[in-house]
Amino acid sequence: EPEVTQTPSHQVTQMGQEVILRCVPISNHLYFYWYRQILGQKVEFLVSFYNNEISEKSEIFDDQFSVERPDGSNFTLKIRSTKLEDSAMYFCASSGQSDTQYFGPGTRLTVL
Amino acid sequence: GEDVEQSLFLSVREGDSSVINCTYTDSSSTYLYWYKQEPGAGLQLLTYIFSNMDMKQDQRLTVLLNKKDKHLSLRIADTQTGDSAIYFCAETAGSSSNTGKLIFGQGTTLQVKP
Repeated sequence: EPEVTQTPSHQVTQMGQEVILRCVPISNHLYFYWYRQILGQKVEFLVSFYNNEISEKSEIFDDQFSVERPDGSNFTLKIRSTKLEDSAMYFCASSGQSDTQYFGPGTRLTVL
Repeated sequence: GEDVEQSLFLSVREGDSSVINCTYTDSSSTYLYWYKQEPGAGLQLLTYIFSNMDMKQDQRLTVLLNKKDKHLSLRIADTQTGDSAIYFCAETAGSSSNTGKLIFGQGTTLQVKP
């Protein structure tokens, strides 16, 4: 069964460093999303991406964040200068013609 | 704005039924979802219901939707220890979004005692 994959599973970084989180969505899906879950809090929407551009972003998704689909299979989330409060689990999701979103296993980002 | 609320914890005995409840605010949501998260794992889609339906059954899972009260429930029949997890209710953001972004509840931790 097709699934969304994410790498790495855990990323530890120093405050101020750049990180890139990687996702491989389900191959025939067209809509891509990033969400995050700070420990003990709700899963929050960050950004949606369709047709090679951002279609919607939340207030959290400021200038420090960017997304890219560098090739036909990967979808990345870059955080330019990480802050302590960026520590969270980051989930990638994708959907096809239906609205149903399928999530990857997540990347746990720890900023020290 | 949109909001989804769930109770935080439910404990049941193995073999009993579990009912996890959720309330939401956006009446224009098209789909409502239940996701399951096991420890250290991602969000697994369990089931979903279209907003014009009242009920959906899928093996041991029954979803009930009360649109008037904006209340969604997930019933798990014959609950097993393997059902222990966090269950998230989610709605599509409806009229405030055209991209299908999901609004999640805070999750209900289901504990199944042998």
